[in-house]
Amino acid sequence: QVQLVQSGAEVKKPGASVKVSCKASGYTFTGYYMHWVRQAPGQGLEWMGRINPNSGGTNYAQKFQGRVTMTRDTSISTAYMELSRLRSDDTAVYYCARGFQGMITFGGVIAPGEGWFDPWGQGTLVTVSS
Amino acid sequence: SYELTQPPSVSVSPGQTARITCSGDALPKQYAYWYQQKPGQAPVLVIYKDSERPSGIPERFSGSSSGTTVTLTISGVQAEDEADYYCQSADSSGTSVVFGGGTKLTVL
Repeated sequence: QVQLVQSGAEVKKPGASVKVSCKASGYTFTGYYMHWVRQAPGQGLEWMGRINPNSGGTNYAQKFQGRVTMTRDTSISTAYMELSRLRSDDTAVYYCARGFQGMITFGGVIAPGEGWFDPWGQGTLVTVSS
Repeated sequence: SYELTQPPSVSVSPGQTARITCSGDALPKQYAYWYQQKPGQAPVLVIYKDSERPSGIPERFSGSSSGTTVTLTISGVQAEDEADYYCQSADSSGTSVVFGGGTKLTVL
């Protein structure tokens, strides 16, 4: 079955970096985007960006530009998300999720767009504390 | 920045119908998706492409779209449906994913 298994919880000091891994199984890794979403304690879901495992191309949310790096290793079907210059408000559960293609219409013309996420990894708690 | 608006909470009695709305100006141009999240668990997809139901999701979950609003409907609500529900789509350029703020469904 399709499964995403993430690395374990991390505790980091402010200013440090964290790298979370997401190992995929049960499907062709290079055939689907991999997205990263985070959820601060008691808060909603926040999209961070995505990587195309086939090309390595990335698309980051504006909020995280310059601080996040998404990479992949196709030989082991694993995606990575590294967040640098950590602050206390980066404390959150970080999820990876397989992305499907959606569509968007521009004046009657249909173009590829962002799709849905299924499945999600189990989540990785990152705690930033001095 | 672009936003999807959901009600913070919805309450229904068992067996009744729950409707959770999600509004956004770009929704007429692209699909919306819905996720269920129970405490301490990862989100689970319950509706994709506005109204399609993934395999394994009960038939009581359905979705619809009208203009700038999409709706998740849960018919015959059960106690196990108590959870947070999030809508998801993208901004008007179609290149940036956006989530609604989430709706807490309480089964009375």
